[in-house]
Amino acid sequence: DGGITQSPKYLFRKEGQNVTLSCEQNLNHDAMYWYRQDPGQGLRLIYYSQIVNDFQKGDIAEGYSVSREKKESFPLTVTSAQKNPTAFYLCASSMVGQGSHQPQHFGDGTRLSIL
Amino acid sequence: AQKITQTQPGMFVQEKEAVTLDCTYDTSDQSYGLFWYKQPSSGEMIFLIYQGSYDEQNATEGRYSLNFQKARKSANLVISASQLGDSAMYFCAMRELNYGGSQGNLIFGKGTKLSVKP
Repeated sequence: DGGITQSPKYLFRKEGQNVTLSCEQNLNHDAMYWYRQDPGQGLRLIYYSQIVNDFQKGDIAEGYSVSREKKESFPLTVTSAQKNPTAFYLCASSMVGQGSHQPQHFGDGTRLSIL
Repeated sequence: AQKITQTQPGMFVQEKEAVTLDCTYDTSDQSYGLFWYKQPSSGEMIFLIYQGSYDEQNATEGRYSLNFQKARKSANLVISASQLGDSAMYFCAMRELNYGGSQGNLIFGKGTKLSVKP
């Protein structure tokens, strides 16, 4: 079945440590996205990429980094510079084209906590 | 200013009844899209329904329909015949079009928690 796979489901970070969240899709989508969700809040965009080897900052990119070396993969690194990393992280992908109608499809999320 | 406003933090509905979840949006664009997503307690975001700003008819997908009132900038989600499995967070989102017609990014509201009572 086509879909988006995020791993791990749960992740713990020690002080000063970088951690990487995995996101893989087999939907042949060009665009991929990372969102952060805090309790009682909507989703906030961290980074997005519309094509391989290119990505743009979203609304809350500070303390995060990404790469897009393959169409299928868009890993997110939460660096030690992110002082409040505890949140639920969602990866999404979508087709790219003219018009506003392409929905984003989401993975199951990774819950990151500080040890 | 918030672009997407969901004024109901929580809603209760009796099983088998209909429920309306409110969403208002703010944009000066003529061309945009509106989406509703469901987020169960397990966390995944499930796409439910889409309405384009130029669509003349309200979108429907099974038990979901979107009550689109363009002049009032509202895009309310109506769930008919509620089921226990409908208990979840529901998010309204909007995508504006960038210059040249390419897609902008999704902007999400803060969500409404729906609880269906047996």
